[in-house]
Amino acid sequence: ETGVTQTPRHLVMGMTNKKSLKCEQHLGHNAMYWYKQSAKKPLELMFVYSLEERVENNSVPSRFSPECPNSSHLFLHLHTLQPEDSALYLCASSQDRRTGGLTEAFFGQGTRLTVV
Amino acid sequence: TQLLEQSPQFLSIQEGENLTVYCNSSSVFSSLQWYRQEPGEGPVLLVTVVTGGEVKKLKRLTFQFGDARKDSSLHITAAQPGDTGLYLCAVIYSGGGADGLTFGKGTHLIIQP
Repeated sequence: ETGVTQTPRHLVMGMTNKKSLKCEQHLGHNAMYWYKQSAKKPLELMFVYSLEERVENNSVPSRFSPECPNSSHLFLHLHTLQPEDSALYLCASSQDRRTGGLTEAFFGQGTRLTVV
Repeated sequence: TQLLEQSPQFLSIQEGENLTVYCNSSSVFSSLQWYRQEPGEGPVLLVTVVTGGEVKKLKRLTFQFGDARKDSSLHITAAQPGDTGLYLCAVIYSGGGADGLTFGKGTHLIIQP
């Protein structure tokens, strides 16, 4: 099993659809993240789950809803998205600094999302 | 205004040449990371620097953290086509407990055979 696995790799959805992105990590880390990568912006942190604490970027619209059922799995639920939400969505994991880590992120391959 | 400014934004050079890319900020950081991202893939961590003035080498790649811990550089010696990719610098952003990373926009590097 590779370190961080994301599914699906590609997703095309209409603006009225509901879909979910899935991420699984096999590295024994205790923190997981969602990042968004658009063509003209830097990688943007969307959500953090670490030590059962959730931290979110207040600029993320409510049409993105994360779920972290345990330290190995992370989901991003999508509903009523807009075309400008089309981007590469990357999941990452790391060891939280508060447990001795350096927040060095291990990324999945990403889900390329296109909203039509 | 970006927290991390990377330059140049794009760089295309011939195989065998040397190059340096930069990551600058007006803020002081406890550590800084460099990642490389290839098309269709997620970023891969190259190095973490934590001490002002620190120099780390990874084969032909040399990373330096500025004395004041506000900036960093990545120097590649005798570049090869396999070095092609997007080079990103990142620093820890603390959201009041759990951490995430803040990234620069990156340097798109192309090494032509």
